[in-house]
Amino acid sequence: EVQLLESGGGLVQPGGSLRLSCAASGFIFSNFAMSWVRQAPGEGLEWVSSITGSGDSTSYADSVKGRFTVSRANSRNTLYLQMNNLRVEDTAIYYCAKDTSAMDVWGQGTTVTVSS
Amino acid sequence: SYVLTQPPSVSVAPGKTARITCGGNDIGRKSVHWYQQIPGQAPVLVISYDTDRPSGIPERFSGSTSGSTATLTISRVEAGDEADYYCQVWDRPSGHPVFGGGTKLTVL
Repeated sequence: EVQLLESGGGLVQPGGSLRLSCAASGFIFSNFAMSWVRQAPGEGLEWVSSITGSGDSTSYADSVKGRFTVSRANSRNTLYLQMNNLRVEDTAIYYCAKDTSAMDVWGQGTTVTVSS
Repeated sequence: SYVLTQPPSVSVAPGKTARITCGGNDIGRKSVHWYQQIPGQAPVLVISYDTDRPSGIPERFSGSTSGSTATLTISRVEAGDEADYYCQVWDRPSGHPVFGGGTKLTVL
């Protein structure tokens, strides 16, 4: 069964850092680009970042550029999102998704709350 | 950057047909994907590449594009179809995905 499982969310103060992980199973992880998508409370879906299957190319939304870093460990079938200098407006559920232009598999999400 | 416009809400009676639109400049030249998000759950892909239905998605779900509008059509609507629906495209100039604002489908 194809599955994605996020972890690493939590409560952090403004200016703090968190690292999210997304464990993949059921498919050849290194063959596929992956994306992070977030959803603020009561809001819609917002693309955050993407990384190619090999990890040699990344892209970021302007709202997180310079603060977030996406990476992957294909040997461990794991995707990461390092989030630094967090802001209140980064509060959201963060989803990882297998990205083939269409995001055909999603994790259940991990919640990040940025608050003092 | 590229903008996709969806109506905030659509209401439909059970058994009827719901149509959810997604507008964007030259959207007919892009591949449009649709997601269903039931409250409290992760999004699920229901239509890819304008018209393709992933395995496990009922035939009641279909997609189309015409001019500057893409449409998700849900036939014989059921109570379980009540959810938020999002359209998405890959914006080549910016090199990243773009989501519409979402449409809340209410089954009366």
